[in-house]
Formats: sequence, structure tokens, C-alpha cells
Amino acid sequence: DIQMTQSPSFLSASVGDRVTINCKASQNINKYLNWYQQKLGEAPKRLIYNTNNLQTGIPSRFSGSGSGTDYTLTISSLQPEDFATYFCLQHNSFPLTFGSGTKLEIK
Amino acid sequence: EVKLLESGGGLVQPGGSMRLSCAASGFTFTDFYMNWIRQPAGKAPEWLGFIRNKANGYTTEYNPSVKGRFTISRDNTQNMLYLQMNTLRAEDTATYYCARSGSSSGVMDAWGQGASVTVSS
Repeated sequence: DIQMTQSPSFLSASVGDRVTINCKASQNINKYLNWYQQKLGEAPKRLIYNTNNLQTGIPSRFSGSGSGTDYTLTISSLQPEDFATYFCLQHNSFPLTFGSGTKLEIK
Repeated sequence: EVKLLESGGGLVQPGGSMRLSCAASGFTFTDFYMNWIRQPAGKAPEWLGFIRNKANGYTTEYNPSVKGRFTISRDNTQNMLYLQMNTLRAEDTATYYCARSGSSSGVMDAWGQGASVTVSS
């Protein structure tokens, strides 16, 4: 199985900050990497697909980058509604695997 | 509007069985792969498996962690997806989600709201 190591696990930031969340795969995943946002009691919502494609309806302050084994989600200017947990998902190889999550909290 | 609605969750004893359902609407069901994912409280999601679309013969793939105990099926006449879970264990306790994947929409672009399953005596 491909292991997805996500960092940091917790992130404390302020409204207006620029933040980055990272996922490192245990092997090359050929940019088959999605990012999801999950708020308490809700299903995950896809933000980014295939590394850098913004889901329709998601604000442009969210962006993704990466290649090979290293991938990043960037939020350019945090808004109050962005405080949530974020997961990455690799869909290059079976079984599909998620990162362990990053909880983004208000400083 | 794409909608996915899970049902059938609840409390089940260890060793028991349960079938979850996912009702799909707002899209051409047979065009999409359909996934099951679970998430224990406070933990990361885990992909359980999927069933392919009509073009790919409705074949299935499973996570080895549940292969042989869980079975994914679909009723394309009713736009329904199912997850049959057998020999349930305490560690199967989680919220279970269905999600679709499509050739143009990509992997797991839309999810249901989830169904809670508790395995306990």
C-alpha cells in the first residue's frame, strides 16, 4: 500500500494568513492526488483534484501543487470558513489511501 | 443536483451482518464508478472499494483490509449502491460514506452525508 504522510497534524493560524499543508507519498503517485476539506459532522468536500485542478465552486485562494511523491495544498489568505480538517487522497494505486489529516485551527 | 443518500446504519452485534444502501440522483448512475469509504470518529477516512461503471462491466475492487467480508453491489434500475458487511468487528465502527467517481468529474467528487455503524454487544 502507498502510505501518505501528511503534515502538520495540527496548524494554528489567523485569518488572512497563508498556510501550506503537505502530503508525502511512499512512492511516486503521478500527480493522482486530491485534497478534501471536512467540517465537523459533515462529509469531506473535494477542493483540488489531480494535484492542481480546482473543484468548481471552490474559491481561488485554494491551490495545489506537487509531483512525484511530494504534494502541497496552499490557502493564500485564510478566511473564517476555512478552519476545518484537510485530507489528501492518492488514487494512483490500489488500495486508494488517505493522509492522516491536518486540523486547521484559529490562533 | 447530484445527491447521494446513505441509509441502513445502526447498532449491530460483533459477528453480525449489515447492509448499507446509497440512493443516487441527479446524474447518470451507470456512467460512474461508485465508492464506499468509512471514517472512524476522529480518524482519517479509509477507502473500502468501488464498483465500476457500465462501460467497465460493473467489476469491483476492494481494499485488502475488508476483502472477503464486505461486498459492493449496485442496482442500476433503481440507482442504488449497496455495501454488504459480514462478520462485523468492533473496529468496523465508523461513519460510512458513498462517493462517485467519473471520467470527467474525477475521483470522489461527490459524497453522501454518511451512515453511522456501531458494532457493539
